[in-house]
Amino acid sequence: LAKTTQPISMDSYEGQEVNITCSHNNIATNDYITWYQQFPSQGPRFIIQGYKTKVTNEVASLFIPADRKSSTLSLPRVSLSDTAVYYCLVGDISLANNLFFGTGTRLTVIP
Amino acid sequence: DAGVIQSPRHEVTEMGQEVTLRCKPISGHDYLFWYRQTMMRGLELLIYFNNNVPIDDSGMPEDRFSAKMPNASFSTLKIQPSEPRDSAVYFCASSLRTGGQGIEQFFGPGTRLTVL
Repeated sequence: LAKTTQPISMDSYEGQEVNITCSHNNIATNDYITWYQQFPSQGPRFIIQGYKTKVTNEVASLFIPADRKSSTLSLPRVSLSDTAVYYCLVGDISLANNLFFGTGTRLTVIP
Repeated sequence: DAGVIQSPRHEVTEMGQEVTLRCKPISGHDYLFWYRQTMMRGLELLIYFNNNVPIDDSGMPEDRFSAKMPNASFSTLKIQPSEPRDSAVYFCASSLRTGGQGIEQFFGPGTRLTVL
C-alpha cells in the first residue's frame, strides 16, 4: 500500500516559493503521483500529476526523483489565496481502493 | 461543463432517519467515487464505480450504508438508519481513465450531513 507522509503544516510569506515534500516509500510501478488542493468547505481540486522526473503546469511544478520514493510540489510565488490543504496521492486507477488522501499539508500564506 | 453536481448541499436529520445523497458525475466520465470527510479521519474513500458497476465497497463503514449507480449520470449514497457519528461532509468525485493510469478526480461541492 503506497501510503504517503507529508508535513502537517507549513507557513510561508507572500511572494515566496513553497516546496511541499511527500514520502511514498512503497510506491508501485504502475502508481502515479497526484496532488490536490482543498479550500475550506470545498472539494479537493486537482493540481498536478506525474510519473517520473519533472512536470510543470500553469500553477505548479512536480519534482520526482529517479527512485520515485518521494515527490515535491513546488508553488512559485505564493499568494494569500494559496492558503489551503495540499494532499499527495499515489495510486493506479485500476486499484482505486488504494487511494489514500492522508492528512495533507496545511499551508498558511502570511502577508 | 457544470462539473460534478451533488444534492442536497446541506442535510440535517434526526437519528434513525433515512438519508439519501445524490450525485451527477461529469458527462463521459467512467469512474465515480464516494468519499467522507471528517476532522478526525480526514478523507476516506467509501466506494467507487467503474462503468456503473461497484468495484470496491470495502470503505463502506457498515451495512447501514449503501450506494447505487443505476446509470452513467446518477448515483446515490444511502444511510439507513442514520446515526450521529455519520455526521460528515460527503463528496462525490468522477474521473475518466486516461491513456496511462493516472488519476484526476473531479470533486463535487459536497453534502454536509448533520445527524442529531
